Amino acid sequence: DQQVKQNSPSLSVQEGRISILNCDYTNSMFDYFLWYKKYPAEGPTFLISISSIKDKNEDGRFTVFLNKSAKHLSLHIVPSQPGDSAVYFCAAKISGTYKYIFGTGTRLKVLA
Amino acid sequence: DVKVTQSSRYLVKRTGEKVFLECVQDMDHENMFWYRQDPGLGLRLIYFSYDVKMKEKGDIPEGYSVSREKKERFSLILESASTNQTSMYLCASNMNTEAFFGQGTRLTVV
Repeated sequence: DQQVKQNSPSLSVQEGRISILNCDYTNSMFDYFLWYKKYPAEGPTFLISISSIKDKNEDGRFTVFLNKSAKHLSLHIVPSQPGDSAVYFCAAKISGTYKYIFGTGTRLKVLA
Repeated sequence: DVKVTQSSRYLVKRTGEKVFLECVQDMDHENMFWYRQDPGLGLRLIYFSYDVKMKEKGDIPEGYSVSREKKERFSLILESASTNQTSMYLCASNMNTEAFFGQGTRLTVV
């Protein structure tokens, strides 16, 4: 049973436009949600996180939105750049632990 | 900057071999993790450790063991490598919210 789901395996966006990556979760016992970016043959790099008590967190071109009633979070990248092309994983941290549940990833391709 | 270093980028091993994957972090983090990444499956937790000599099984521990004799070092051991353990292995460490990952080890078992 996949507790954290990324239903879109891939996404293509034109350079300069907005990229929206989505993630759904089924468990209410998560206290933090995180987004990681991964290039081929490298480890994931932390991008941005949000506490479960917030609904928005912004860092430069990256904004994460959390909709607790829908159990949905999204990552917005504005404006998208070719260097943003990578696989993006959402992750959820289980409350009271240091365990993370990862989604299956979305491959973003930003077209120049 | 947090540095998590995995000893090998690429490894090729034979079926039945005992394989050691080493990971070192330099930030004095309490918690360390081993994940494997497979296409379509995301990152799956194999084992994690929250202190020296302390470990807990993750979601897919079968066929693996771990060792944490020093705080900065966390080793993953494949007792008898099998072809279904061909994967990208990722080590991570954390203290608070976000985990920091090493560069990964691409292991191929032939």
